[in-house]
Formats: sequence, C-alpha cells, structure tokens
Amino acid sequence: AQSVSQHNHHVILSEAASLELGCNYSYGGTVNLFWYVQYPGQHLQLLLKYFSGDPLVKGIKGFEAEFIKSKFSFNLRKPSVQWSDTAEYFCAVNAKGNNRLAFGKGNQVVVIP
Amino acid sequence: AAGVIQSPRHLIKEKRETATLKCYPIPRHDTVYWYQQGPGQDPQFLISFYEKMQSDKGSIPDRFSAQQFSDYHSELNMSSLELGDSALYFCASSLGEDRVNEQFFGPGTRLTVL
Repeated sequence: AQSVSQHNHHVILSEAASLELGCNYSYGGTVNLFWYVQYPGQHLQLLLKYFSGDPLVKGIKGFEAEFIKSKFSFNLRKPSVQWSDTAEYFCAVNAKGNNRLAFGKGNQVVVIP
Repeated sequence: AAGVIQSPRHLIKEKRETATLKCYPIPRHDTVYWYQQGPGQDPQFLISFYEKMQSDKGSIPDRFSAQQFSDYHSELNMSSLELGDSALYFCASSLGEDRVNEQFFGPGTRLTVL
C-alpha cells in the first residue's frame, strides 16, 4: 500500500516569505498526486493535482508543486505567502488500480502578518 | 455551488452505543468515500461506493457498516462504539470512480465517544 510522508508538521513564517512543504510517497507504480488545504473551520479543498505530463503543476492561489519521479517527491511551493494562507496542508496520493487517497500527516502553516 | 453535506456535524455518544453518520454528495456525483481522521492523525480511508455498490474497502472495523442509497447519499453505521472511535469522519464525493476524478470533501462529522 502507498504511504505519504510530510515533514515539518508546524511551520511559522512571516508574510511575503517563501513557503516550501515537502512530500514523499512510497509506491513504485503509477500514481496521482494531490495537495489539499484545510483552512480553519473549513473542509478539505483541492489546491492542485498531478496526473501526467509537465511535472511542474500550478494550482490555485499562487501555489505550485513539482513532481520528481526519481525522488518520489511532490513538494509544494509558494513564492510569497499571505496571512490568508494560514491553514493545514495535506499531500495525498492514489495509485493505479484504486481511487482511495492516502494522506500525509499534514503541515500546519501559520503566517504572521 | 452545492457542496458535500454531512450530518450531524457533531455527535457525542457513550461507549457501546451506536451512531449513524450521513453524507449527501454533490448533485450528479455517483461515488462516495468515507475517511476517518483521529486526533493529530492523517485521514484514513474507510470505504467507498460507486453506483450504490461497494467499490473499495480500507481499514474499516467490522463494527462499522455503510451503504449507498438510490439517491446516492451514504450512511456510515457504527456499533459498539469505543473510545478510539472518537475522530473526525469525512465524506467525499466524485463523478465516476476513476482515480483521476477529484474528490470533493464535506465538512466532516466530529464524533466524540465518552
């Protein structure tokens, strides 16, 4: 079964700082990769996804992620964060043959104005 | 736009009681997924349904059962509740069960077992 690792569970940074959240997965086959965001008191929302093609994908709100197959990684980046980016971020993967999502433990990001 | 609806949003039960959680997918969505997120944990897949049939099963205890009805809503039935069942239960829906289809999540039901 696939598994997902996220590091630095708690991240605190100032507005305009750059953000990078790491995501590594363990699965040798074909995968789809996702980043979800959960704002305080709200449900999980899709930020971006990778299925195939260009390994650099752009999502909503200025986020982007790069799929590096050789490193089994799908790191999330934003060049300049805003206070409104305060949220929990989950990396998720599903594999060929099933559509269940396997999530990482999440990154709690706090942006200080 | 209509979203996934879950009810109730909060539920408090005693040990050994039963609980029923409901999920109403986005209109026209035919696939429903259930996930369990324990305190400080990542969401864990429980079970999914496509066109009213179980399509996948994860780490769902035998004490739990679920089904999808003709109107595509789904119910998760939990019996003989244990303290460890306290968690946030998410439902998600998608159009079709293809793995590339985005899963849209509901707000979750927070279950507390005392």
